[in-house]
Amino acid sequence: KAGVTQTPRYLIKTRGQQVTLSCSPISGHRSVSWYQQTPGQGLQFLFEYFSETQRNKGNFPGRFSGRQFSNSRSEMNVSTLELGDSALYLCASSATAATGGYTFGSGTRLTVV
Amino acid sequence: GDSVTQMEGPVTLSEEAFLTINCTYTATGYPSLFWYVQYPGEGLQLLLKATKADDKGSNKGFEATYRKETTSFHLEKGSVQVSDSAVYFCALLNTGTASKLTFGTGTRLQVTL
Repeated sequence: KAGVTQTPRYLIKTRGQQVTLSCSPISGHRSVSWYQQTPGQGLQFLFEYFSETQRNKGNFPGRFSGRQFSNSRSEMNVSTLELGDSALYLCASSATAATGGYTFGSGTRLTVV
Repeated sequence: GDSVTQMEGPVTLSEEAFLTINCTYTATGYPSLFWYVQYPGEGLQLLLKATKADDKGSNKGFEATYRKETTSFHLEKGSVQVSDSAVYFCALLNTGTASKLTFGTGTRLQVTL
C-alpha cells in the first residue's frame, strides 16, 4: 500500500515568489492535514481538509492557503514568500481524522533565499 | 489552549540502556495521546497511541501509559538499540479540535555502542 507522497522533496524559492506543494494521500484516506516544521517553532498545524472542505485552520497568515481535490489529493500554496517561511512542510492523511491515526509523508523542504 | 511539554534533549544512552522520555499535557476534555518518531530526513511515523485514561500503547518494545491523574504519557523502552536514534514527539488530539495534532517540541535520542 503506497504511503503519503509529497512533491517536490526540495524547493528553493526567492523572497516574494509563490510556491505550490502537493500531497497525495493514502488511497481511501479523505482527510489531509498540513504542518510546518521549523527548528524554532517546532511542528505547527496549518490546516486540514476533508472531502474537499477545510475543516480546521491553524494560526497562519492568509498567505498560506490550501485546497483538496475530489480524488483527495491536496495542494498548499504560499504567496509572497518570506525568509521565515523556510521550513519542512509535512502532509498527513487519515481515513477519518477522528482517531488521530495519521500517516505522514516525508515532507517538502522549502528554502527561501 | 492545548499544549504538550516534553523533556529537553538530547538524550544520550548506551545500547541496551533503559529509556524514559517524559511528556505531560494540558488539555480540556479527554484527548487522545500519541508518540511519533522522526528519523533523519524523513517524516513522522506513528509509534504508539492511547485513547483513554489508563490505556497502554505499545509498539516495537516502546510503551506509554495514559495517566489522567498526572496528565502524563511518558515513553519507555527497556533496552534501546542504536537504530532507535531519532527524534521523538509527544502529541495530543483533542476531540474539541479534532483533526489538529498538538505536538511537543521533540526529544532527540542518540544511542551509542
